[in-house]
Amino acid sequence: NAGVTQTPKFQVLKTGQSMTLQCAQDMNHNSMYWYRQDPGMGLRLIYYSASEGTTDKGEVPNGYNVSRLNKREFSLRLESAAPSQTSVYFCASSGTLSGANVLTFGAGSRLTVL
Amino acid sequence: EDKVVQSPLSLVVHEGDTVTLNCSYEVTNFRSLLWYKQEKKAPTFLFMLTSSGIEKKSGRLSSILDKKELFSILNITATQTGDSAIYLCAFKPNTGNQFYFGTGTSLTVIP
Repeated sequence: NAGVTQTPKFQVLKTGQSMTLQCAQDMNHNSMYWYRQDPGMGLRLIYYSASEGTTDKGEVPNGYNVSRLNKREFSLRLESAAPSQTSVYFCASSGTLSGANVLTFGAGSRLTVL
Repeated sequence: EDKVVQSPLSLVVHEGDTVTLNCSYEVTNFRSLLWYKQEKKAPTFLFMLTSSGIEKKSGRLSSILDKKELFSILNITATQTGDSAIYLCAFKPNTGNQFYFGTGTSLTVIP
């Protein structure tokens, strides 16, 4: 069972370039999430999707767009990358454990914007 | 505004020590509190707590929730260098799909 798979693992961009982070889960989870993690800031929610066809802004959505392509896939797009978007990005999906929701994370994508 | 506060921010201990990590929360509509361990990669799930006073245990790690005082602790006994990691707590409200994370406690265990 692969769980949550995200690509690429590493990416270096120049300011103004665009890119898409891909995420797929094989656990049949309804909800999927994109977080960024910066030193001392913990995990901050960028966008989430409660179910196929819906997306909602999280705490730090500016500069990002998302697409919930189907139940399995949830992509994050940076249209015009900025140095402030240098971060480690985690995709996650949410399934139930004993009736309550638990997040399962992908391995992370380290993005550097020069 | 709902928030989660973890303390201490960082901790350095010697192998064999016992550590207690704290997580307090100010939330409305509490559903569950979760603990994760993060080494140099993705956070991995440790415990989920929904009821007060019931200890969850896995080997040398244990956790308990106090819903009245709005906090949880994570205990690690007989620490090992492999316990070095960032420990994150998060809560899940009863409504909506979001999880709210604290900033984490960075634990370093030295031989």
